[in-house]
Amino acid sequence: EVQLLESGGGLAQPGGSLRLSCAASGFTYIHHPMSWVRQAPGKGLEWVSATSSSGGNTYYADSVKGRFTISRDNSKNTLYLQMNSLRADDSAVYYCARDAGFCSSNSCYGVWDYWGPGTLVTVSS
Amino acid sequence: EIVLTQSPGTLSLSPGERATLSCRASQSVSKYLAWYQQKPGQAPRLLIYDASDRASGIPPRFSGSGSGTDFTLTISSLEPEDFAVYYCQQRTNWPPFTFGGGTKVEI
Repeated sequence: EVQLLESGGGLAQPGGSLRLSCAASGFTYIHHPMSWVRQAPGKGLEWVSATSSSGGNTYYADSVKGRFTISRDNSKNTLYLQMNSLRADDSAVYYCARDAGFCSSNSCYGVWDYWGPGTLVTVSS
Repeated sequence: EIVLTQSPGTLSLSPGERATLSCRASQSVSKYLAWYQQKPGQAPRLLIYDASDRASGIPPRFSGSGSGTDFTLTISSLEPEDFAVYYCQQRTNWPPFTFGGGTKVEI
C-alpha cells in the first residue's frame, strides 16, 4: 500500500525556518518525481515545488523561489522541504504528493496520484 | 502563468442528480488537465487526468471531457460521498502547475 506521511509542521515566527519531511513507503520511491502542494486555511490548492526522481532537477513556484528548497534522500525514501524566511502567507497545510509519471508531449510531471494527509505550518509572531 | 477558472463556485444538488462542473483555461492546455476531489480535512484525490482518463479505482460515474481551453467534469448520478470540493489542474505550461479555484458540490 502506497503511503506518504508528512511531518515537521508547526508554529514558526516570521523570518524563521522549518524543515518538512515526507516519508514514503509501499512503492519504488526512486522511480517517481515528487511535489509539495499547499493549501492556506479555507483556500484552494497551490503547487509549491517539484523534484525529479533523482533529485537532480528541482522546480519552484515564484512565491517560494529563493526561500524554499526541495530535496530528497532516495536511500531513506524521504522528501524534504526546507523553508526559510517564512512569511505569514506561507501558513498552510503542506501536502507531499507522488507524481504518477504519466507523460505529456513535453514532460512526465504533474499528475499526482497519491497524497499524504498533510502537515500544518503556521507562521505568526 | 495559465489561469484556470472554475464554475459555478457552488453547485447545490440532490443525490441521484447529475453534476456538471466547468473549468476554463486562459490559454490552451491541450488535453493535459486533471480533476481532483477534496473532502473536508482530507487530502485531494485524483479523479481524472489528461481530460478524460479515469484514475485507478475511480467509479465510472465520474467522467471528464474537453480539450484546449474548455473542460467538463460530469458526475452522472451523485452519491452521498460525492459531496465535496472539486479542483481542476493543468500541466501543459509549467512551472507553475496551476489549479482552479474549486467548485463545491453541496446538498
